[in-house]
Amino acid sequence: EVQLVESGGGLVQPGGSLRLSCAASGFTFSSYWMHWVRQAPGKGLVWVSRINSDGSSTSYADSVKGRFTISRDNAKNTLYLQMNSLRAEDTAVYYCARDPATVTPLNWFDPWGQGTLVTVSS
Amino acid sequence: DIQMTQSPSSLSASVGDRVTITCQASQDISNYLNWYQQKPGKAPKLLIYDASNLETGVPSRFSGSGSGTDFTFTISSLQPEDIATYYCQQYDNLPPTFGQGTKLEIK
Repeated sequence: EVQLVESGGGLVQPGGSLRLSCAASGFTFSSYWMHWVRQAPGKGLVWVSRINSDGSSTSYADSVKGRFTISRDNAKNTLYLQMNSLRAEDTAVYYCARDPATVTPLNWFDPWGQGTLVTVSS
Repeated sequence: DIQMTQSPSSLSASVGDRVTITCQASQDISNYLNWYQQKPGKAPKLLIYDASNLETGVPSRFSGSGSGTDFTFTISSLQPEDIATYYCQQYDNLPPTFGQGTKLEIK
């Protein structure tokens, strides 16, 4: 069974940092593009970032560019999101999700992890 | 960025009703559109890909249609377990963008 399990969320002060992790199992993690998508409380879904299978290509939403860094460790089957200079508007549930594609990304999401909540507040 | 506009924002219907949600893209996206279901407190789940293809394991009462800028998502006979928020998502251009969601309730 394909499974994605996020961790690392919590309460952080504005300007602080946090690193999210997403542990993958049930598929060949090193073959797939991966994404982070977030959802502010009571709001809709917003794409955050993507990374290719070997970690050599990344993309970001304008709202997080220069502050967030996506990475992966294929030996550990784990995806990461390093979040720096956090703002109140970054408060959200963060989901990791697999792209169906292995070479050229399709930029859609299946399956999703259960999400981890990040709260940025003083 | 491509803007996705869903309507209605919320919908109340009875069990057995036919339910339709529309999604309009701000520019031509061909058939690069998906539909997701999100139940309260849960992660989204892919239902329809490429505008009209049913994901494996998804009940056949769900369907999608459309191309270009106008798309439709239909539940042919609403069931109690279909209570959720539904999102469309375009993947023609980066960044991929979502509609604002349609919250479906049982009347």
